Amino acid sequence: AQTVTQSQPEMSVQEAETVTLSCTYDTSENNYYLFWYKQPPSRQMILVIRQEAYKQQNATENRFSVNFQKAAKSFSLKISDSQLGDTAMYFCAFLFFGNEKLTFGTGTRLTIIP
Amino acid sequence: DTAVSQTPKYLVTQMGNDKSIKCEQNLGHDTMYWYKQDSKKFLKIMFSYNNKELIINETVPNRFSPKSPDKAHLNLHINSLELGDSAVYFCASSPVPGELFFGEGSRLTVL
Repeated sequence: AQTVTQSQPEMSVQEAETVTLSCTYDTSENNYYLFWYKQPPSRQMILVIRQEAYKQQNATENRFSVNFQKAAKSFSLKISDSQLGDTAMYFCAFLFFGNEKLTFGTGTRLTIIP
Repeated sequence: DTAVSQTPKYLVTQMGNDKSIKCEQNLGHDTMYWYKQDSKKFLKIMFSYNNKELIINETVPNRFSPKSPDKAHLNLHINSLELGDSAVYFCASSPVPGELFFGEGSRLTVL
């Protein structure tokens, strides 16, 4: 079974700074998807960004971008110009191609300091 | 307009009781899920339905029984509640695998 590891339980940065959240995963498969989800203190999870493993280009969504290193099985999330509203738990997640079962990492609690 | 709505948002009950959580989505998605988030924030899938058919049933005690009367609804019934069932239960729906739209969660506390 695949595992998803987030080695940083908690992080904090000053507003407007850039922060990078780490995620590694373990799989022998070649076709899969990776995701970052955000869970603000209000609890509702929302999708931040998605990456297909077959794509070499790193995904970007406004201030959010990923650094996908397939050989290293690493999938980090970079948040640029961080804002107070970025304060949340961030979960990395893995999905086999053709599957419905999303496997989540243990999460990183990010606090943006005013 | 709430996309994925769960009721109730909070349940406090005694061990041994039976409880249900309802979920409805108005997004037209074919697939719905139940996830459990424990006190350490770890999220684990419990069940998945596609167009009313069960497609994922993780190793969940059979005290937990999902029911999908139609593709817009996925309810979760829990019999004989135990202390370890205390958690936040999230319903979600998705248009494509991996892209989940979550409800706000239902916090279950078993005393």
